[in-house]
Amino acid sequence: AQKVTQAQTEISVVEKEDVTLDCVYETRDTTYYLFWYKQPPSGELVFLIRRNSFDEQNEISGRYSWNFQKSTSSFNFTITASQVVDSAVYFCALSDSGSARQLTFGSGTQLTVLP
Amino acid sequence: ETGVTQTPRHLVMGMTNKKSLKCEQHLGHNAMYWYKQSAKKPLELMFVYSLEERVENNSVPSRFSPECPNSSHLFLHLHTLQPEDSALYLCASSQDPTGPTLEAFFGQGTRLTVV
Repeated sequence: AQKVTQAQTEISVVEKEDVTLDCVYETRDTTYYLFWYKQPPSGELVFLIRRNSFDEQNEISGRYSWNFQKSTSSFNFTITASQVVDSAVYFCALSDSGSARQLTFGSGTQLTVLP
Repeated sequence: ETGVTQTPRHLVMGMTNKKSLKCEQHLGHNAMYWYKQSAKKPLELMFVYSLEERVENNSVPSRFSPECPNSSHLFLHLHTLQPEDSALYLCASSQDPTGPTLEAFFGQGTRLTVV
């Protein structure tokens, strides 16, 4: 069975601070895919990144970076120099088949960036 | 136009009413999904349609009835709902079973309140 744990329910930071959102996953498969989604107040989940289990390179996209560590089954997400517009709920998700049918979501982390 | 569009955005209905939620995707995907997002719970996958056939039904009560007339449209028919069915209902689409893009794309959701 798959499981995704986002232990941080809520985080508040002041604008321009860096913040890391934690994600720990469990799966018995050797091939799997990890995702991060952002859910702003408008409601839709916005896809941020997909990472497969064979690619442990960290990725940076602008102010966003992701640290994938198979040894600790973690896929953490860091926002550098946070902005008020980053305020949202962030979800980590896992799919062991590569199909969106089997997406397992974590419970989400509510990030509030204060001006 | 956004990739996945849901209507209505908000719906208030009595327990004896019948209503329908609509989802339309403009991404050329062949799979569509209904998710339920309740407060403080992980997203719950309700139904999956692939090539217009229902392929998964995750023990959803019969008061929720999906319909997928074509690969671009998905409906969720609601009748005799309970107050605990109040939630954000999200529609998503993807290429299924796998493809160059594995991620699901979500609509903005319908905020349903059952009174």
